[in-house]
Amino acid sequence: DAGVTQSPTHLIKTRGQQVTLRCSPKSGHDTVSWYQQALGQGPQFIFQYYEEEERQRGNFPDRFSGHQFPNYSSELNVNALLLGDSALYLCASSLRSAFEAFFGQGTRLTVV
Amino acid sequence: GEDVEQSLFLSVREGDSSVINCTYTDSSSTYLYWYKQEPGAGLQLLTYIFSNMDMKQDQRLTVLLNKKDKHLSLRIADTQTGDSAIYFCAAPREGGKLIFGQGTELSVKP
Repeated sequence: DAGVTQSPTHLIKTRGQQVTLRCSPKSGHDTVSWYQQALGQGPQFIFQYYEEEERQRGNFPDRFSGHQFPNYSSELNVNALLLGDSALYLCASSLRSAFEAFFGQGTRLTVV
Repeated sequence: GEDVEQSLFLSVREGDSSVINCTYTDSSSTYLYWYKQEPGAGLQLLTYIFSNMDMKQDQRLTVLLNKKDKHLSLRIADTQTGDSAIYFCAAPREGGKLIFGQGTELSVKP
């Protein structure tokens, strides 16, 4: 079992650009959540996807959007990038009915 | 509120016990987690405790939960240099959203 995999591992973008991050959940998991972890901080919940729909959303602007595919993989899109969007973006997968969430290694996004 | 708070740093000598503390405000959580993050890595689920338990032991790890004071602690016995990392406590909310503390950086000196 490959666990939760995220791509790319690192990314550098310019202010104003758009970015797409990808996540493949652990085998058998149907729920994907995304978190933003700024340097020196704990992860902050962005949103959660289940059955291809956004089920919960944290306090993030509409520039942050996502998608879940029929195979349960997910994408996080961020438009009009700001310097403050520089962070480690973590994907977590779980079973809807279970309480254990497993995290990927994250994508380190740097906005210059 | 959705606050989870931790002290930021802890330094111990190899072989000593480490105790990492966490306080939370919402008492409705049915369970609480401890995650470990090594430099440049994602989060590793270390252990969890259900809210109807006071203590859980798992090899070198002991979790204590004081529901009255809304206080959670993680004790690592015989701390090793490989335990150096950032430790996060986390509380789930309805639907599975996790609220994390700021993390405690554990430094283990040989």
